[in-house]
Amino acid sequence: KAGVTQTPRYLIKTRGQQVTLSCSPISGHRSVSWYQQTPGQGLQFLFEYFSETQRNKGNFPGRFSGRQFSNSRSEMNVSTLELGDSALYLCASSSGTALDEQYFGPGTRLTVT
Amino acid sequence: AQSVAQPEDQVNVAEGNPLTVKCTYSVSGNPYLFWYVQYPNRGLQFLLKYITGDNLVKGSYGFEAEFNKSQTSFHLKKPSALVSDSALYFCAVNTGFQKLVFGTGTRLLVSP
Repeated sequence: KAGVTQTPRYLIKTRGQQVTLSCSPISGHRSVSWYQQTPGQGLQFLFEYFSETQRNKGNFPGRFSGRQFSNSRSEMNVSTLELGDSALYLCASSSGTALDEQYFGPGTRLTVT
Repeated sequence: AQSVAQPEDQVNVAEGNPLTVKCTYSVSGNPYLFWYVQYPNRGLQFLLKYITGDNLVKGSYGFEAEFNKSQTSFHLKKPSALVSDSALYFCAVNTGFQKLVFGTGTRLLVSP
């Protein structure tokens, strides 16, 4: 079974630009979660989608948004990039219940200059 | 707020010795606790979870964790450490709808 894939793996953007990251979950998984990892703040939850509906959202500004498609693939978008948005963005998939573990992709390393 | 704490930034252990990586939790209701490991330039890999039942949970790569309700702890253990176990370890709690709240991480260094 293929794992979680994320594209692109690396990205360099300039302040003020916007960026879209993509995540393909494990086949059969309907839940996709997004996390931001930085040295200063650690791992922080961004949002979770299940069957195309956002079920949960972390404490991030509205510049961070996401969506999920009918095939469970998910995208997250960051508009008006700031230097502080430089981070590793991780996507995770699961069946969607709190009892189940999440499987993480390799991440997208975003650098904002 | 539900949270987990990892009191040690780094744990050093010699290969072949037992290892323990500590985690304490603050959760209202039943805790759904997880351990993940992260190798350099990689995503997180699931090791094990506690949902309910036996307090000793066995996971991947020979790791196990002991759930202790009275001490609100969920320490990760391995009887005999390998150099290849050197990595960053995260304890996490599921607070609902797949929101994982992570600890700050503990770097494990296993020396030959």
